[in-house]
Amino acid sequence: AQSVTQLGSHVSVSEGALVLLRCNYSSSVPPYLFWYVQYPNQGLQLLLKYTTGATLVKGINGFEAEFKKSETSFHLTKPSAHMSDAAEYFCAVSGNYGGSQGNLIFGKGTKLSVKP
Amino acid sequence: DSGVTQTPKHLITATGQRVTLRCSPRSGDLSVYWYQQSLDQGLQFLIQYYNGEERAKGNILERFSAQQFPDLHSELNLSSLELGDSALYFCASSVSWTKNIQYFGAGTRLSVL
Repeated sequence: AQSVTQLGSHVSVSEGALVLLRCNYSSSVPPYLFWYVQYPNQGLQLLLKYTTGATLVKGINGFEAEFKKSETSFHLTKPSAHMSDAAEYFCAVSGNYGGSQGNLIFGKGTKLSVKP
Repeated sequence: DSGVTQTPKHLITATGQRVTLRCSPRSGDLSVYWYQQSLDQGLQFLIQYYNGEERAKGNILERFSAQQFPDLHSELNLSSLELGDSALYFCASSVSWTKNIQYFGAGTRLSVL
């Protein structure tokens, strides 16, 4: 079984400050991990993904995430927040082989606010 | 623009009614997924089709059904609607289920009154 826990339903940062959104996963098989962003009244947009290989993954809009197997974590970071980063962010997991592949299991989401 | 098209954008209906949500996947994508997003349940996987065949089922109610047609578009049918079915319904598509990079449509917001 797989699950995702996002710590903090709401995170607020100042413009220019570090963004850190936390995600821990549980998976009985080696996981694929994803971060999606949802802007108001829009669908989900893929920010970045970890499948295999390098554990530090770079995504769009300056975001990156590091897969830490020992900590079962996949935290999302951005060195300097911009007003346009205000959105809801979702961490998701799926299995990486056979029947475990396919559907995504999402966390509850973290709403990021950016103060001027 | 993800390339996944969902219609309609908004749907308002009454309890007990039946509605159909439509999804056109990205060109070349064979797999379609349906998700439900609600305030209390969050984002939940409902069902997946691959090249016309049902491949995986999640927390989909028996009142809900889906299919994928030969042209690869998909429809999600919701019947005997209840107030609690009010939610945002997303369709996503991917080339296949391996590597599983899913692209999401803008969603259909269903309001059951």
